Amino acid sequence: EAGVAQSPRYKIIEKRQSVAFWCNPISGHATLYWYQQILGQGPKLLIQFQNNGVVDDSQLPKDRFSAERLKGVDSTLKIQPAKLEDSAVYLCASSYRQGGGTDTQYFGPGTRLTVL
Amino acid sequence: AQSVSQHNHHVILSEAASLELGCNYSYGGTVNLFWYVQYPGQHLQLLLKYFSGDPLVKGIKGFEAEFIKSKFSFNLRKPSVQWSDTAEYFCAVNADGGSYQLTFGKGTKLSVIP
Repeated sequence: EAGVAQSPRYKIIEKRQSVAFWCNPISGHATLYWYQQILGQGPKLLIQFQNNGVVDDSQLPKDRFSAERLKGVDSTLKIQPAKLEDSAVYLCASSYRQGGGTDTQYFGPGTRLTVL
Repeated sequence: AQSVSQHNHHVILSEAASLELGCNYSYGGTVNLFWYVQYPGQHLQLLLKYFSGDPLVKGIKGFEAEFIKSKFSFNLRKPSVQWSDTAEYFCAVNADGGSYQLTFGKGTKLSVIP
């Protein structure tokens, strides 16, 4: 089966610019996650969708980050305006079941963002 | 909120050496535990997981992990590593109930020398 797709793979922007990332989860997966992975750290959950509803966005900096999952499939994550500390790899993951802590998350290749 | 500690930042081993990577979590309730691996140039992928039953779980490629509830630990082991095990290993935990948010440790980089 096809994996989680993300684009772009790399992005370089200047601070205060805006940027958007796209994710296409594995077909049939109900839950979609966006993570931020700063160099030297583990992934940190930003937002979790179940179908097209938000389950958890407690760690999303809502003053500059936004995300949507239209029609319960693809998702976009936007940063506006970007700050230097947003430099990180942004990972998208998906899982099959609707909720449940034992579900395996399948990760995409990530988008490496550099903010200058 | 739960947290995860991985004790070793970088481990260097020779082929055929035994491996044990430490992972401790902090949370008082029921947890589900995971080890994910990221091989060079590849995606994060699940190595193994524990959610109930036998505390010794076996994963892919000969890896296993033991859940010791009294020590809040979930250490990863492999009796004999290969060069192809060179990767970064992440321990993760989620807690029963709520959104089951997955919390990752900082990761341990394993380098295996042929």
